[in-house]
Amino acid sequence: AQSVTQLGSHVSVSEGALVLLRCNYSSSVPPYLFWYVQYPNQGLQLLLKYTTGATLVKGINGFEAEFKKSETSFHLTKPSAHMSDAAEYFCAVSPELSGNTGKLIFGQGTTLQVKP
Amino acid sequence: DTGVSQDPRHKITKRGQNVTFRCDPISEHNRLYWYRQTLGQGPEFLTYFQNEAQLEKSRLLSDRFSAERPKGSFSTLEIQRTEQGDSAMYLCASSLQRGQGTSGSSYNEQFFGPGTRLTVL
Repeated sequence: AQSVTQLGSHVSVSEGALVLLRCNYSSSVPPYLFWYVQYPNQGLQLLLKYTTGATLVKGINGFEAEFKKSETSFHLTKPSAHMSDAAEYFCAVSPELSGNTGKLIFGQGTTLQVKP
Repeated sequence: DTGVSQDPRHKITKRGQNVTFRCDPISEHNRLYWYRQTLGQGPEFLTYFQNEAQLEKSRLLSDRFSAERPKGSFSTLEIQRTEQGDSAMYLCASSLQRGQGTSGSSYNEQFFGPGTRLTVL
């Protein structure tokens, strides 16, 4: 069975500092990997995704993530935090299987706080 | 607006009442998903449709829950005899299934609606 673990339910950084949100997955087959952001009372917005190819993927708003198969990790980073980055972030996997349903399995989320 | 829409955005009901939520996907999308998100947790998969066919249901979806997508467009999620434990955000997502990739698998990006927040008193 697939699962996703996000280390740290709350992360606090200063404006301009590096953002690092950790995600580890468990999957018996190579998965597709995603990061979503959720602002209060809103749905989820896709930040970036890894399906195949280059393991370092760039997303919107200056975020990027690197797929490390040996570490089963897909950590999200941003060089310099903005106040507008404060939100809930979810890592998700979708197992790559023939005829897959495409359903997403989410981690429990990490709340990012950005201090002035 | 061509995004996924959900109605209502908020619903407060008393325990034992029935509620129905609606999701309108992006018009050309053939897949539609329902997820439930409780406070402080990530979304959990409930069910999905390809066109009008409901192809998978989670064990989370008890017999009090029913979902339909009668014409392969909008979908409804009904909860009968609501319980306090049903209080959650119900999220809908849609995607376009393009077919099989070289490995026999496929990837379809899901676009989420704003959700319906249910409070059961």
